[in-house]
Amino acid sequence: EAQVTQNPRYLITVTGKKLTVTCSQNMNHEYMSWYRQDPGLGLRQIYYSMNVEVTDKGDVPEGYKVSRKEKRNFPLILESPSPNQTSLYFCASSLWLGGSSGANVLTFGAGSRLTVL
Amino acid sequence: QKEVEQNSGPLSVPEGAIASLNCTYSDRGSQSFFWYRQYSGKSPELIMFIYSNGDKEDGRFTAQLNKASQYVSLLIRDSQPSDSATYLCALLFGNQFYFGTGTSLTVIP
Repeated sequence: EAQVTQNPRYLITVTGKKLTVTCSQNMNHEYMSWYRQDPGLGLRQIYYSMNVEVTDKGDVPEGYKVSRKEKRNFPLILESPSPNQTSLYFCASSLWLGGSSGANVLTFGAGSRLTVL
Repeated sequence: QKEVEQNSGPLSVPEGAIASLNCTYSDRGSQSFFWYRQYSGKSPELIMFIYSNGDKEDGRFTAQLNKASQYVSLLIRDSQPSDSATYLCALLFGNQFYFGTGTSLTVIP
C-alpha cells in the first residue's frame, strides 16, 4: 500500500529532551515536507526537501532540524523541545512539484501529536 | 508569507443541498491549487486539484478557479452527512505549500 508512515503517533516529553519524529514513504517521491497544525493557524510548513541531500526552510523552521540522507526518509528533529512546540505534526510527500498531471499532490502521513511539558 | 484566506465557518447545510466553500489568495504567482478534506483528528486527504482557470468537476465536487480575481472555490452537490469535515484550501508557490485555516462544514440529516 502506498503510504507515508510517521512515528511516533503520540508523544509526551519534557522541555529540553531531544526527540526525533520519523517519516518514511514508499512511493519513490522526490518531494517531502513537514507541517505543524495549530488551532486557528492552520497547517504551516516547517521544512521541505526537493530530493536527497536537498532541504530548505519553510515558514516556521525555528527549533527544528531535518535531514534527507535517503529518498524514502525525512526525519524531523527537535534538539531542545519547548512547550510552544506542542502541536500536531504531519509529514507529506509528492512525486515532484512540476507538471500539470497531479504529480504535485501531497500525500499525508497520519500525524504525530506531540506534547512538550 | 503567502496569504490563503478561508471563511472558518462553521457552515451548515441540509442533506442534499449544495455546499459552497470559498478561498482567496494573495499571490498571483501561484499556479497549483488544491482542496483537502480533514476529518477531526485525521490527516488531510485530497478532494480536488486545479491548475487552469475555469471549472473542474469530479463526481459531486466542482472546483472553480479564477486567477484574475485570485479566487478558488469548491462546490459540493447533494451534500451528505459524511461530507461533514473541515475543508482546507491550499496552493503551491515556488517550492512551498500554503494552507488556509479551513472551513468547517456540517451537513444536517
